[in-house]
Amino acid sequence: KNQVEQSPQSLIILEGKNCTLQCNYTVSPFSNLRWYKQDTGRGPVSLTIMTFSENTKSNGRYTATLDADTKQSSLHITASQLSDSASYICVVSVTYGNKLVFGAGTILRVKS
Amino acid sequence: NAGVTQTPKFQVLKTGQSMTLQCAQDMNHNSMYWYRQDPGMGLRLIYYSASEGTTDKGEVPNGYNVSRLNKREFSLRLESAAPSQTSVYFCASSPRDRAREQYFGPGTRLTVT
Repeated sequence: KNQVEQSPQSLIILEGKNCTLQCNYTVSPFSNLRWYKQDTGRGPVSLTIMTFSENTKSNGRYTATLDADTKQSSLHITASQLSDSASYICVVSVTYGNKLVFGAGTILRVKS
Repeated sequence: NAGVTQTPKFQVLKTGQSMTLQCAQDMNHNSMYWYRQDPGMGLRLIYYSASEGTTDKGEVPNGYNVSRLNKREFSLRLESAAPSQTSVYFCASSPRDRAREQYFGPGTRLTVT
């Protein structure tokens, strides 16, 4: 069964600290993996998209990594800011059937 | 460029009432989607429209109908609302198919009592 599991469910960190969010997936065959940021009361906004041949991709203070062999991805946030408080959603695209599988998200809260 | 817009933002319905959620995009995208988001779960696809004039069921289509009115607009209708349809509904669009980048609207929070 195609699944995307994210950990932790929620996380609280102090402003300025780094953090890493995890995504494990069992989707096969795999087309691409995306990370979205969803602010409270808003729709998800794309941070990165990686194909199976890409190991790492950055978007400002956000760096996503992908290990297609172990089917794991991580999102690293550097020097966190209060505005990073949001839900971060991992989404995997299935090659056949044109399907997306969404994780439940990690809720990040950055405290001052 | 407004991107993807949705109306209304909030709605409360009584069981058995009907309503239509509206979605429009101004990015000239071919594909449009309706998702629901429930606490502790990933977004689930209700219906999608790969191109103007076509619609297909997603994972959780029961209790919903859709209309792709034109290239810009994709509406979601609840004919007889049930408490199980209490959720946040998101419309999204993409240039072509689901493998491409999807752009989401701000969501409609629906409560069915």
